[in-house]
Amino acid sequence: QSALTQPASVSGSPGQSITISCTGTSGDVGRYDFVSWYQQHPGKVPKIVIYEGSKRPSGVSNRFSGSKSGNTASLTISGLRAEDEADYYCCSYAGRGTYVVFGGGTKLTVL
Amino acid sequence: QVQLQESGPGLVKPSETLSLTCTVSGDSISSASFYWSWIRQHPGKGLEWIGYIYFSGSTYYNPSLKSRLTMSIDTSENQFSLKLSSVTAADTAVYYCATVNSWRVDYWGQGTLVTVSS
Repeated sequence: QSALTQPASVSGSPGQSITISCTGTSGDVGRYDFVSWYQQHPGKVPKIVIYEGSKRPSGVSNRFSGSKSGNTASLTISGLRAEDEADYYCCSYAGRGTYVVFGGGTKLTVL
Repeated sequence: QVQLQESGPGLVKPSETLSLTCTVSGDSISSASFYWSWIRQHPGKGLEWIGYIYFSGSTYYNPSLKSRLTMSIDTSENQFSLKLSSVTAADTAVYYCATVNSWRVDYWGQGTLVTVSS
């Protein structure tokens, strides 16, 4: 069982927007602004798409955005494209002793 | 641009020690910019943080693996290493070395599959 809870799957049609949630606790997501999101295509290495909750690394499309409310972080992908179909993982700093926790991953299907 | 490459046996027997090395290029492992990290992914499953080591040698381990885990750093070879003892089939996974900066993973190795089997 993962420390952060994500839906197993989400889907959307091209052009639509989807949101993936990532629920933690007051000891990780709720306490620190260090949530990151990773995109992983089958057989590939994960790639960071959001860090520190809402910041986009250079080269990542502005269709990707992140936010947080309470103990839940969210990744929104707007203007869905076929190439967005992948697994998405959230990750949070969880303080001394635990340090880093991942979500179980969400499979995004573009219909 | 940091590049990372894992190396080590792809097959380990149960109860033995899994040993992997990550060779770093593009930056000095003595750089204070990163925590040098290991992350694994069980087949068809999600990501699991294993731990990381700082250039000073300070280590930070996943509590669930801590009793079996040793990480080290070799500044002369620009490498860092992972040893996981008393492995079982549950340790079969793709192991990634990676860099962590401000609690985000910026760079990943290609990953290496380690299978625990007799």
